[in-house]
Amino acid sequence: DIQMTQSPSSLSASVGDRVTITCRASQGIDGWLAWYQQKPEKAPQCLIYATSTLQSGVPSRFSGSGSGTDFTLTISSLQPEDFATYYCQQYNTYPLTFGGGTKVEMK
Amino acid sequence: QVQVVESGGGLVKPGGSLRLSCEVSGFTFSDYYMSWIRQPPGKGLEWVSYISSSGSDIHYADSVKGRFTVSRDNAKNSLYLQMNSLRVEDTAIYYCAKVPYYWGQGTLVTVSS
Repeated sequence: DIQMTQSPSSLSASVGDRVTITCRASQGIDGWLAWYQQKPEKAPQCLIYATSTLQSGVPSRFSGSGSGTDFTLTISSLQPEDFATYYCQQYNTYPLTFGGGTKVEMK
Repeated sequence: QVQVVESGGGLVKPGGSLRLSCEVSGFTFSDYYMSWIRQPPGKGLEWVSYISSSGSDIHYADSVKGRFTVSRDNAKNSLYLQMNSLRVEDTAIYYCAKVPYYWGQGTLVTVSS
């Protein structure tokens, strides 16, 4: 199985901060990497797929990059509605696997 | 507008069975593979099962293999998960998803005596 190692597991930030979350796959995933945002009591919502493609309706302050085994989600200027938990997922190989999550909290 | 709606969750005793359903609209269901993913309370996400567009290719997580069965009815735009021999550790919110794009709101399955 492909292991997805996400870091940090939590971070504290302020509105307007630039936030970066990383995800490392245990083997290559051909760019089939998605990022999700999950708010309390809500389902995950896809922000980015195929490493860097923004899902329709997602604000442009979110961006994704990476290749091979190393991937990054960046929020260029954190907004109040962005405080949430973020997950990465590889969907190149079954079983599909997720990172452990990053909780973004208000400083 | 895409809608993914799960149903069928509830409280069941260990060893019991439950059948989850997922109804989809807003995209051509029969063209796409679908997955079930679960999330235990307060924990992370775990992929459970995949079924191809025709239903001919199916995969399961090791944790549910031999106990869960995924199926679909393309005429009804519906996906199903038959869960047998349920365990306490199967307690979770179960999501139906066209990974990675569209997810439902989930249905809670609680396995407890």
